[in-house]
Amino acid sequence: DTAVSQTPKYLVTQMGNDKSIKCEQNLGHDTMYWYKQDSKKFLKIMFSYNNKELIINETVPNRFSPKSPDKAHLNLHINSLELGDSAVYFCASNPSGRYNSPLHFGNGTRLTVT
Amino acid sequence: GENVEQHPSTLSVQEGDSAVIKCTYSDSASNYFPWYKQELGKRPQLIIDIRSNVGEKKDQRIAVTLNKTAKHFSLHITETQPEDSAVYFCAALSNTGFQKLVFGTGTRLLVSP
Repeated sequence: DTAVSQTPKYLVTQMGNDKSIKCEQNLGHDTMYWYKQDSKKFLKIMFSYNNKELIINETVPNRFSPKSPDKAHLNLHINSLELGDSAVYFCASNPSGRYNSPLHFGNGTRLTVT
Repeated sequence: GENVEQHPSTLSVQEGDSAVIKCTYSDSASNYFPWYKQELGKRPQLIIDIRSNVGEKKDQRIAVTLNKTAKHFSLHITETQPEDSAVYFCAALSNTGFQKLVFGTGTRLLVSP
């Protein structure tokens, strides 16, 4: 009954490959996010979607392409993976992007690029 | 845009002592300040938050204070326990447009028995 679930939990792949991470939330929230946490534990926002519409797109290489088929799902596709993409990627959601409400995080996907 | 600085980066205390983590933010329009706790290998989880119309908030052993004039806020943990050991993140939310929560760099708290 996990509120925000991500798959896979671990992803090990080689440079140059393309991979996807999936996220689903069953909280009925309107807004979903992707955050990247690097080896130094810095948490940085990458993208945000509100009701399937992209509203935040930080300075992220265009090898990263988010997709939101509906407001409960937000996927992240990464092309031509590089060593520097190794990190933990967290999906998160909250009721609405316009109001002060806490984020609910998924359990993270640890991506290792070799 | 918003920039959040957090200190210290590591903090070691003895069980029973108090721990204080401090953050400063740059955007005077920010009005929501949550704190997250992240245990090893797990997701960040909200432990307490404060809004700009309040100067202090307390929840059992945890308290947060906010000084809007100085643009800083702090997390206070009293009577620390070993299970408080984790990385703590402060964050600030600007009240411009859609929500964009900017996190501090984290504080690794170690509570020794």
